[in-house]
Amino acid sequence: ELKVEQNPLFLSMQEGKNYTIYCNYSTTSDRLYWYRQDPGKSLESLFVLLSNGAVKQEGRLMASLDTKARLSTLHITAAVHDLSATYFCAVDRDDKIIFGKGTRLHILP
Amino acid sequence: NAGVTQTPKFQVLKTGQSMTLQCAQDMNHNSMYWYRQDPGMGLRLIYYSASEGTTDKGEVPNGYNVSRLNKREFSLRLESAAPSQTSVYFCASSHQGRGNIQYFGAGTRLSVL
Repeated sequence: ELKVEQNPLFLSMQEGKNYTIYCNYSTTSDRLYWYRQDPGKSLESLFVLLSNGAVKQEGRLMASLDTKARLSTLHITAAVHDLSATYFCAVDRDDKIIFGKGTRLHILP
Repeated sequence: NAGVTQTPKFQVLKTGQSMTLQCAQDMNHNSMYWYRQDPGMGLRLIYYSASEGTTDKGEVPNGYNVSRLNKREFSLRLESAAPSQTSVYFCASSHQGRGNIQYFGAGTRLSVL
């Protein structure tokens, strides 16, 4: 059974600091995704990672994938308040897409 | 650009009532999904449809039924609503040939009293 675990579930950090969110999954997968959700809103796609060693970057966010360890990371560089949101990873196996519980990120000015 | 449209946006039901949540996408996607979101639980997959004419159970299918009416539409039905089904429901669609990235609707906030 495919399970997805994120940690931490809640993160409060100062602007300008760096931090990493971790996403572990239990079985082999086809793809790994990162999504962002603002309070009261829907989800929007950030990254899709397809293969071992894949790295994608957009602004202050960088995602990577290690399929051997079944681990993806979302690294935040020099955080700014606008990045405050909930971040989800999700794993795709045979078109069944399972989400982690999300990491609620609160960036303090 | 409508994307994924869900109706209704809000609904209040009494225990035992039935209702259908509607979802339609205009992006010619082959896969569609229904999730529920509860505080602290993330998104949990209820049912999904990898192509027109097929549906499969997700993580929490009990108490729900689905219909993939055509390629555009995927409905979720609660036959006899229970308070435990109070949640925010999201519909999503994706195209396997485009990384299977999901596009989400705005959500339906359902309260069962």
